[in-house]
Amino acid sequence: NAGVTQTPKFRVLKTGQSMTLLCAQDMNHEYMYWYRQDPGMGLRLIHYSVGEGTTAKGEVPDGYNVSRLKKQNFLLGLESAAPSQTSVYFCASSEGWTGQPQHFGDGTRLSIL
Amino acid sequence: SQQGEEDPQALSIQEGENATMNCSYKTSINNLQWYRQNSGRGLVHLILIRSNEREKHSGRLRVTLDTSKKSSSLLITASRAADTASYFCATDKAAGNKLTFGGGTRVLVKP
Repeated sequence: NAGVTQTPKFRVLKTGQSMTLLCAQDMNHEYMYWYRQDPGMGLRLIHYSVGEGTTAKGEVPDGYNVSRLKKQNFLLGLESAAPSQTSVYFCASSEGWTGQPQHFGDGTRLSIL
Repeated sequence: SQQGEEDPQALSIQEGENATMNCSYKTSINNLQWYRQNSGRGLVHLILIRSNEREKHSGRLRVTLDTSKKSSSLLITASRAADTASYFCATDKAAGNKLTFGGGTRVLVKP
């Protein structure tokens, strides 16, 4: 049982390039989340999804887009990468929206030069 | 802005000692959760305490919640080297939309 799997694990981009981060979960969870983690800032919610075909903005959505075409997958896209988007990105999933633990992947370390 | 703030930011103890860290938050919550993050890994859920609960235990972990002071504490008893990690509190606000994480406490347990 893999849980939450993120690909790739590491990536280096040049400013202006685009890329997509993939998150897959095998727990049949309805809710999925994308966070970024920066030193001393904790985790900040970028976008989330409450089910297949739905997405919503979190705390820091600017510069990112997401899609949830299949229940098990949640994609995070950077259309035109900026150095400020250098961060570690975590995907998580949960059974419910409140009162439920979130299950995290091991992150994607992204550097924008 | 962060809802939860952990204190201290870093903690260094000897194996076998207890480790205590605190979390303060600003607005009413539905529940508060604690997570552990080992270096280079994702967060792992430790314990959830609801707003109507005052204390919960899970193995060597003890969590308290004081809603009047808007604070929580995590106690790890008889610490082990494997407890070396960062610990985060996360709040689920009473308005009920999303988890908000604090900046974490880095714990180093020396053998």
